[in-house]
Amino acid sequence: AQSVAQPEDQVNVAEGNPLTVKCTYSVSGNPYLFWYVQYPNRGLQFLLKYITGDNLVKGSYGFEAEFNKSQTSFHLKKPSALVSDSALYFCAVRDIRMDSSYKLIFGSGTRLLVRP
Amino acid sequence: DTAVSQTPKYLVTQMGNDKSIKCEQNLGHDTMYWYKQDSKKFLKIMFSYNNKELIINETVPNRFSPKSPDKAHLNLHINSLELGDSAVYFCASSQDGPGRGQETQYFGPGTRLLVL
Repeated sequence: AQSVAQPEDQVNVAEGNPLTVKCTYSVSGNPYLFWYVQYPNRGLQFLLKYITGDNLVKGSYGFEAEFNKSQTSFHLKKPSALVSDSALYFCAVRDIRMDSSYKLIFGSGTRLLVRP
Repeated sequence: DTAVSQTPKYLVTQMGNDKSIKCEQNLGHDTMYWYKQDSKKFLKIMFSYNNKELIINETVPNRFSPKSPDKAHLNLHINSLELGDSAVYFCASSQDGPGRGQETQYFGPGTRLLVL
């Protein structure tokens, strides 16, 4: 079964510093990987996805993620954190079923706290 | 210009009651989903519909009954509400059909259900 793991419940970083939110995956076949962000009392917003192609994927709000097949990782990064980036971040992987339907399997989420 | 909307945003009710949550998307997408986010922020798919046809039912109790009158709407009816049903319920949509899973899912703002 496909799965993703987010090993950190919370990441703390100072404003202006680079940030990394970690995600590792376990899939059979080619991974389709996604990052979403959830601001307090809001729905999930799409940040970026990796389907194929360049290992470095650029997304919304200055975020990017690096797909690393050998380490089965898809870490989310930003060169310079903003206080407004403070939110809950979810990594997700596509799971395709026997009947060809698919669903997203989400990680447990990582809370990012950017301090001024 | 809301893409995926849900009503109501908040729902407080007594155990044993029946309630419905409505979802509408104006993106022209073929597939819609219901997710449940528990108190620990863990997010899991419940149902998926493609062109009004149920394609995923993730072992959800049959007290939960989704209904899709057309491909722009996916409603969730819950019978005999229990304390454990308290959660945030998110609707989402994507352009995907079965077998693909490349397309981004767009989420609604969520419905916060509290069962007393």
